[in-house]
Amino acid sequence: DTAVSQTPKYLVTQMGNDKSIKCEQNLGHDTMYWYKQDSKKFLKIMFSYNNKELIINETVPNRFSPKSPDKAHLNLHINSLELGDSAVYFCASSQTSGRNEQFFGPGTRLTVL
Amino acid sequence: LAKTTQPISMDSYEGQEVNITCSHNNIATNDYITWYQQFPSQGPRFIIQGYKTKVTNEVASLFIPADRKSSTLSLPRVSLSDTAVYYCLVGDIRQNSGGGADGLTFGKGTHLIIQP
Repeated sequence: DTAVSQTPKYLVTQMGNDKSIKCEQNLGHDTMYWYKQDSKKFLKIMFSYNNKELIINETVPNRFSPKSPDKAHLNLHINSLELGDSAVYFCASSQTSGRNEQFFGPGTRLTVL
Repeated sequence: LAKTTQPISMDSYEGQEVNITCSHNNIATNDYITWYQQFPSQGPRFIIQGYKTKVTNEVASLFIPADRKSSTLSLPRVSLSDTAVYYCLVGDIRQNSGGGADGLTFGKGTHLIIQP
């Protein structure tokens, strides 16, 4: 069974479009995260939710909006996509909001043309 | 914010022991040290976590000196499949410890290349 899953795995779209990436974890964890890994492989935290509540919101454009319908799901919606949004987006989860072991999804490679 | 510094890259050969050192001079009292491994086109994978002295699991060992300002990840008898990027993170593992992105900053890691 996949612990942390993301859909889609690949996403190719035009500038200006709106797209969503979905994430689900079946580990029973309380905390979920979104990370962005750019072409230089720098992996940066974007958001974190603990029991559906936003607890970390790093310097991310307002075009990015996370939504957590329940603690097993954390979706990422991106409006008005730009070329610079091209990256691999990773979802992760951990048992608590402390900096303990995180389990990562396989990533979603977003390409904006 | 406890920042970490690691070598950008390292090379070694199959069967050797590899040690990757991470500097974290500003580590706080409640901070733990965590290492992750990332293969191309995959998400990072937890390797080991520790607070002080030595921690060992089936994959690696983590050595932390008394002052905790650095840590060394030791991979025994590496193989080609250990070629990956290794990240060192420092942060408070207690629930509701706050700290924003502290302990969640992966940086660029150390690219370890194992040759035959």
